[in-house]
Amino acid sequence: DTAVSQTPKYLVTQMGNDKSIKCEQNLGHDTMYWYKQDSKKFLKIMFSYNNKELIINETVPNRFSPKSPDKAHLNLHINSLELGDSAVYFCASSPGRGATEQFFGPGTRLTVL
Amino acid sequence: SQKIEQNSEALNIQEGKTATLTCNYTNYSPAYLQWYRQDPGRGPVFLLLIRENEKEKRKERLKVTFDTTLKQSLFHITASQPADSATYLCAPAYSGGGADGLTFGKGTHLIIQP
Repeated sequence: DTAVSQTPKYLVTQMGNDKSIKCEQNLGHDTMYWYKQDSKKFLKIMFSYNNKELIINETVPNRFSPKSPDKAHLNLHINSLELGDSAVYFCASSPGRGATEQFFGPGTRLTVL
Repeated sequence: SQKIEQNSEALNIQEGKTATLTCNYTNYSPAYLQWYRQDPGRGPVFLLLIRENEKEKRKERLKVTFDTTLKQSLFHITASQPADSATYLCAPAYSGGGADGLTFGKGTHLIIQP
């Protein structure tokens, strides 16, 4: 009964490939997010979705695209992977916008060779 | 530009003592501030949220203060235990509109020594 789950846990791929990371939440939350944690441990917001609509799009390369088939899922597609994309990617969800706690998934460690 | 400062060097505390972690922010006027705990290889876990009109918030052995004049939040763990060892992240944020995703400090690595 995991609240926020991500697959895969680890992803190793070659430069130039296209990959996807899946995220699902069973909390009934309206808002979902993607964060990137780099090698220096900074955790940065990439995207957020509220009721299937993108409401934040931080200055990330357009090679990254979030896709939400329904309220419980927010997948992250990455095209033409680069070495600098290597990081841990976290999905999160919250009951709504604003001052609410966020629930994070276990993370996906992406390594681009 | 907005900046969040946490002591990212390891903080070593003797078991049973009170651990105090600091979060300073500049060029910010957050309406609230959240604290999270992150263990190695895991996602952050929410601990406490304090609003700008609250001076102090408590939850079991945890206490958070929020001084909007000093632009600082302090996070206290009383009667610390080795199981409290983790990285603690602060995230000052605005209420509603604009940025819903959190901006985190780099975190403080807390080590509680038995």
